[in-house]
Amino acid sequence: AQTVTQSQPEMSVQEAETVTLSCTYDTSESDYYLFWYKQPPSRQMILVIRQEAYKQQNATENRFSVNFQKAAKSFSLKISDSQLGDAAMYFCALFSGNTPLVFGKGTRLSVIA
Amino acid sequence: DGGITQSPKYLFRKEGQNVTLSCEQNLNHDAMYWYRQDPGQGLRLIYYSQIVNDFQKGDIAEGYSVSREKKESFPLTVTSAQKNPTAFYLCASRSWEQGPANYGYTFGSGTRLTVV
Repeated sequence: AQTVTQSQPEMSVQEAETVTLSCTYDTSESDYYLFWYKQPPSRQMILVIRQEAYKQQNATENRFSVNFQKAAKSFSLKISDSQLGDAAMYFCALFSGNTPLVFGKGTRLSVIA
Repeated sequence: DGGITQSPKYLFRKEGQNVTLSCEQNLNHDAMYWYRQDPGQGLRLIYYSQIVNDFQKGDIAEGYSVSREKKESFPLTVTSAQKNPTAFYLCASRSWEQGPANYGYTFGSGTRLTVV
């Protein structure tokens, strides 16, 4: 079975600071993909960043980057220069073996002005 | 513009009633999914369909039913057998085309179902 664990139900960060959200996963597949989704108060799911497991280089999208540790099965999201608009629920998700996406329980991020 | 449309945005159900949530996509995506979201529970898979006229149960299918008669449509019926249906429901889709860009999902804007 594939699982995704987000151990931080809530996090907070000061505006302009950096925050890291944690995610660990488990899969027996060798080929898989990891995602971070953002869900703002509108509840629309927005893809933030994607990482292919076969790539050693960590993915980066503007202020968002990941720390992908394949051996440790860890996939953390770093948000730099946090902005008020970053306040949202963040979900880590795993795609492998062509089965449906498996999601973690989410981390609610608050940004303090 | 291409996307996924879920309707209605808010839905109220009386005890013992069946209700149907609509999900329509014009992205020509092959696979469609229904997830339920509860506070602190993340997104849990209810049903999914990878091709027309075929669908599979997810982790929490009891009390729900689906159909996939058209590629564009994947309605979800919440039956009276679902004991705790109050939740936020998200529909998603993806293409079968190979490539990392197609392994993530496109989501609808969701339906909030409340039992009254």
